[in-house]
Amino acid sequence: NAGVTQTPKFRVLKTGQSMTLLCAQDMNHEYMYWYRQDPGMGLRLIHYSVGEGTTAKGEVPDGYNVSRLKKQNFLLGLESAAPSQTSVYFCASSPGTHYGYTFGSGTRLTVV
Amino acid sequence: GQQVMQIPQYQHVQEGEDFTTYCNSSTTLSNIQWYKQRPGGHPVFLIQLVKSGEVKKQKRLTFQFGEAKKNSSLHITATQTTDVGTYFCAGPRYGGSQGNLIFGKGTKLSVKP
Repeated sequence: NAGVTQTPKFRVLKTGQSMTLLCAQDMNHEYMYWYRQDPGMGLRLIHYSVGEGTTAKGEVPDGYNVSRLKKQNFLLGLESAAPSQTSVYFCASSPGTHYGYTFGSGTRLTVV
Repeated sequence: GQQVMQIPQYQHVQEGEDFTTYCNSSTTLSNIQWYKQRPGGHPVFLIQLVKSGEVKKQKRLTFQFGEAKKNSSLHITATQTTDVGTYFCAGPRYGGSQGNLIFGKGTKLSVKP
């Protein structure tokens, strides 16, 4: 089993460009999450989904959009990238509440 | 707002020494989870504690959940170089109704051989 797969692994964007980060899980998990990790800030929740077709805002949702059209996929979009969005992005999934997360290997995004 | 705090932020130990990281929540938690992130890697789930006063062991790692369910600790006995990484605690956000976690900022452990 692949678990949680994130693509791409690395990306450099220019300010104002857009991109989509893809997260795919093969564990049939209901819940999926997008976190960003910055030095000294820990992991901060951007958006999450508790099931196919549902999404909700987390701690730091501004500048990001998400979609969960299929249960196994959770997409994170940046419409107009800003240098403040330079970060490592982690996708995670879980079967439901009160379960541990399975994380993907991350996407390192640099916005110049 | 809800906060989960960890201390220390960094810990440098000699191989063979013990290590402890502490996690404190501003709210009572229904459960607490611990994760390990190796340098350059992703967080990996270690364990979940649910009961007040619960203690669980995984080889050299001992996890405790406080009686008031607002704090937790991870203790590593006789550290090895393979223990290097950042250890995060995490608790359910807003009581867990939405299934997402709030993470502490982590304790970064370095081990000198």
